[in-house]
Amino acid sequence: DGGITQSPKYLFRKEGQNVTLSCEQNLNHDAMYWYRQDPGQGLRLIYYSQIVNDFQKGDIAEGYSVSREKKESFPLTVTSAQKNPTAFYLCASSIRPGVYPEAFFGQGTRLTVV
Amino acid sequence: SQELEQSPQSLIVQEGKNLTINCTSSKTLYGLYWYKQKYGEGLIFLMMLQKGGEEKSHEKITAKLDEKKQQSSLHITASQPSHAGIYLCGAELIQGAQKLVFGQGTRLTINP
Repeated sequence: DGGITQSPKYLFRKEGQNVTLSCEQNLNHDAMYWYRQDPGQGLRLIYYSQIVNDFQKGDIAEGYSVSREKKESFPLTVTSAQKNPTAFYLCASSIRPGVYPEAFFGQGTRLTVV
Repeated sequence: SQELEQSPQSLIVQEGKNLTINCTSSKTLYGLYWYKQKYGEGLIFLMMLQKGGEEKSHEKITAKLDEKKQQSSLHITASQPSHAGIYLCGAELIQGAQKLVFGQGTRLTINP
């Protein structure tokens, strides 16, 4: 079955460490997105990618980095520069940029800094 | 301040009752999307509205976009426990933009 998979579901990180969240899709979608969700707030866009080897900053890119070396993969690295990384992270993909009705979301990764 | 305001932020209703969730913007909404999220999980697409005055229904859920395209409402008729979750509206505030702005969500609880 086609879908989008995020791993791990839960992640704990010590302060000062970088950590990478995985996002893989087998839907042959061109566009992929990373969002952050905090309690009482909606989703905020971190980075998005329209095609392989290309990505753009979203609204809250500081302290994060991404890569898009393969169409099916869009990993997110939370660096030590991110001052408040504890949050729920969601990855999404769509067949082409801006086509949100066809956007599929992963199940999310909950990151906790300890 | 939030570009998309949802109200209420939290809603508790008795099973079988009707309810409405609102999503308001100070800017024109070029595309308005409703999603449902179960706590700690991903989002499930419900409906998309684009034209002023447009109304769409799916089972017992109806969404409307007002004529001025600055407010949308989501109405659930005869609520069921399966309707419980977080409802999020997302919108394109710039025509042709390749990203959505989301409201803060409405947490819906259905009491038996």
